Amino acid sequence: GNSVTQMEGPVTLSEEAFLTINCTYTATGYPSLFWYVQYPGEGLQLLLKATKADDKGSNKGFEATYRKETTSFHLEKGSVQVSDSAVYFCALRSNDYKLSFGAGTTVTVRA
Amino acid sequence: ETGVTQSPTHLIKTRGQQVTLRCSSQSGHNTVSWYQQALGQGPQFIFQYYREEENGRGNFPPRFSGLQFPNYSSELNVNALELDDSALYLCASSLGVGQAYEQYFGPGTRLTVT
Repeated sequence: GNSVTQMEGPVTLSEEAFLTINCTYTATGYPSLFWYVQYPGEGLQLLLKATKADDKGSNKGFEATYRKETTSFHLEKGSVQVSDSAVYFCALRSNDYKLSFGAGTTVTVRA
Repeated sequence: ETGVTQSPTHLIKTRGQQVTLRCSSQSGHNTVSWYQQALGQGPQFIFQYYREEENGRGNFPPRFSGLQFPNYSSELNVNALELDDSALYLCASSLGVGQAYEQYFGPGTRLTVT
């Protein structure tokens, strides 16, 4: 079945530091890959997505590239801000109807 | 355009009781999916409704049931509540089923079972 494994947290960074959160997946078919963000006390927001191999998703300075050869979709941001403090979830959606999520990575950015 | 809304925001129930959670989908969306997010974990798929019919189900027991109404709003019902049912319940709506349709999430209902 489908599964997502992402880097365990928590991750604590200083403002303007470089952020990477690793994500690997196992899936049947040709999945779409997603990163969602959850701010404290809120629901999930789609951060970015990629629907086929070698696609790069990007939004708000975050980027992730769909790597089929390594079954990975690592999230990166070159210079984080305090407002980026949140929980980040990697997810995939294959030929069926549901999203399969990783366990989430808590990121805290200090001023 | 109104997004996905859920009610109530929080509720506390006792073990063995029953609970109903509600979700109003985004305008024009005919598909609703429900997810359970336990503390410190990623969301787990419960089931999906498409045009008032259950379209798929995750690994949850039958005491988790749902409905979708003609206006595409939805309810999640949980009978015989257990302590492990304590979680954030998320509803997501989409324009249709399948991989091409993005799911838009509501803010969730925080259920505490004591």
